[in-house]
Amino acid sequence: SQQGEEDPQALSIQEGENATMNCSYKTSINNLQWYRQNSGRGLVHLILIRSNEREKHSGRLRVTLDTSKKSSSLLITASRAADTASYFCATGPGSGNTGKLIFGQGTTLQVKP
Amino acid sequence: DGGITQSPKYLFRKEGQNVTLSCEQNLNHDAMYWYRQDPGQGLRLIYYSQIVNDFQKGDIAEGYSVSREKKESFPLTVTSAQKNPTAFYLCASSVAGGTNTGELFFGEGSRLTVL
Repeated sequence: SQQGEEDPQALSIQEGENATMNCSYKTSINNLQWYRQNSGRGLVHLILIRSNEREKHSGRLRVTLDTSKKSSSLLITASRAADTASYFCATGPGSGNTGKLIFGQGTTLQVKP
Repeated sequence: DGGITQSPKYLFRKEGQNVTLSCEQNLNHDAMYWYRQDPGQGLRLIYYSQIVNDFQKGDIAEGYSVSREKKESFPLTVTSAQKNPTAFYLCASSVAGGTNTGELFFGEGSRLTVL
């Protein structure tokens, strides 16, 4: 079962512009995480935001979480060609000891030099 | 260096054959996971293990089997019962599972192709 729905599915921008990706989910969560995947590689963790947090920053990344709307956004500022990758949100279980992180379908970001 | 090692990176299988994908971690993590990724799609959970000698089915466990005899190892067998096994398989680990599941550390993946 896919918990996260990401929007847009694909995004193409020029270097230096900001990129915003959105993630919506359906059930209660303990935390929400964002990952990056370069083509043909494993995923790399970017940032984790807990359900009682509203905003978090890490370098050029800014993540917001709105639990009332069950949505999150990832903002990459001043994008670089090296940011070209797929970005996934993943939700951690809100109740029960399921141990399952559920991933969205991902947003493919292309940053043109 | 600490991390997760998956092998082989590429694997070809004939129909009707079982194959086993290896996943080893030296991060001393309790929890380990296997995900399947199809082209242009997100990750779907096959199996996960929160502790040695225990594992649970994920969303798409049919046609797959796992074992967790050692903390550092979580091999995945793709059996002949899996009707569409061609995919990219990702192994991951985390410090703990359950409601405290935090950051996942991923291997570089194994790409399985059925001929």
